Amino acid sequence: AQSVTQLDSHVSVSEGTPVLLRCNYSSSYSPSLFWYVQHPNKGLQLLLKYTSAATLVKGINGFEAEFKKSETSFHLTKPSAHMSDAAEYFCVVNTPNTDKLIFGTGTRLQVFP
Amino acid sequence: GAGVSQSPSNKVTEKGKDVELRCDPISGHTALYWYRQRLGQGLEFLIYFQGNSAPDKSGLPSDRFSAERTGESVSTLTIQRTQQEDSAVYLCASSLASATYNEQFFGPGTRLTVL
Repeated sequence: AQSVTQLDSHVSVSEGTPVLLRCNYSSSYSPSLFWYVQHPNKGLQLLLKYTSAATLVKGINGFEAEFKKSETSFHLTKPSAHMSDAAEYFCVVNTPNTDKLIFGTGTRLQVFP
Repeated sequence: GAGVSQSPSNKVTEKGKDVELRCDPISGHTALYWYRQRLGQGLEFLIYFQGNSAPDKSGLPSDRFSAERTGESVSTLTIQRTQQEDSAVYLCASSLASATYNEQFFGPGTRLTVL
């Protein structure tokens, strides 16, 4: 069965420092993987997606993620955090032969000045 | 253009009452999804539609939950005999064809409180 595990429920960083949000997946097929962001009082928005093309995926707002099959990981990174990055981030995997998506439990990112 | 809209934005109801939540997807999006998000938790898949058909209803928590979609457009999620554990934000999303390859666009959600 497909699943994702977000290894940290909370991550705190200082503005201007790197961000790393960790995600491991489990899939018996070649998965499609996504990162979505949920800002307070706003709807969920797609950050980036991996669908078996390039393993390094660039998304919006300077975020990127690397698909590592050997490590079954899809960690989200950003070189320099901005205050506006404070939000909840969800790692998502698809299920094969259906359009059902499985969401991780989320990582809350706090950015301190 | 208009995004996904949901109504009502907030609903407070008494235990045992029925509620109906509405989702208007983006025009032309054939796939529509319902999720539940309990306070401080991730999204829990409930059901999705391709057109007016629901290939996967496996996430519906109980037979008190049902959903329908008409005209490949509006969808309603109905919860009968609501219980306190039904309190959550119910999110709707739509996408072009397959969400595996296409971005899901989310509505603002309906916050349901069961007293």
